[in-house]
Amino acid sequence: EIVMTQSPATLSVSPGERAALSCRASQSVSSNLAWYQQKPGQTPRLLIYGASTRATGIPARFSGSGSGTDFTLTISSLQSEDFAVYYCQHYNNWPPWTFGQGTKVEIK
Amino acid sequence: QVQLVQSGAEVKKPGASVRVSCKASGYTFTDYYMHWVRQAPGQGLEWMGWINPNSGGTNNAQKFQGRVTMTRDTSINTVYMVLSRLRSDDTAVYHCARDGGVRGVIVYWGQGTLVTVSS
Repeated sequence: EIVMTQSPATLSVSPGERAALSCRASQSVSSNLAWYQQKPGQTPRLLIYGASTRATGIPARFSGSGSGTDFTLTISSLQSEDFAVYYCQHYNNWPPWTFGQGTKVEIK
Repeated sequence: QVQLVQSGAEVKKPGASVRVSCKASGYTFTDYYMHWVRQAPGQGLEWMGWINPNSGGTNNAQKFQGRVTMTRDTSINTVYMVLSRLRSDDTAVYHCARDGGVRGVIVYWGQGTLVTVSS
């Protein structure tokens, strides 16, 4: 099973600042990496798939990069609605398609 | 529009089994795999497995091997997940979730079913 490790666990950022979230896979997942956003009491929302392709309706301030084992989700200028928990998930080859443990982005 | 509507909350005793249903609408049921993902209180997301509604084939995370069964009824566009030999650490919200065409990339989520395991 591929283990996905996210860092940091919590990221304190001021509105308008840039945030960079990291996700590392225990072995290569090529570009088969997705990012999700989850707000309290809500189901997750797909942000990025294919490591760098924004899902439908996702603002351009969200971008993804990386391949192989190291990936980054960047939020260029944090808006109030972006404070949430973010999860990465690989979907490489065969299951299980594991999630990372999440990064909470909170207001500084 | 795609909708996934799950059954209601359950309270079970340790050792029992629980069945969660998920009724799909707004698309061709057999065209997309359905996943099950759970989230324990205050914890992260855990992928449990998927079912191919067309063939009925399944694939489960090894952690749940022997305890989870996923089935479907194509006549009513519904998938089911049965988790047996429940333990207290199975207390979680269980979601069915559909990918959007890229297998494994989840786009649509059911509202979740809270399963509480308590003696």
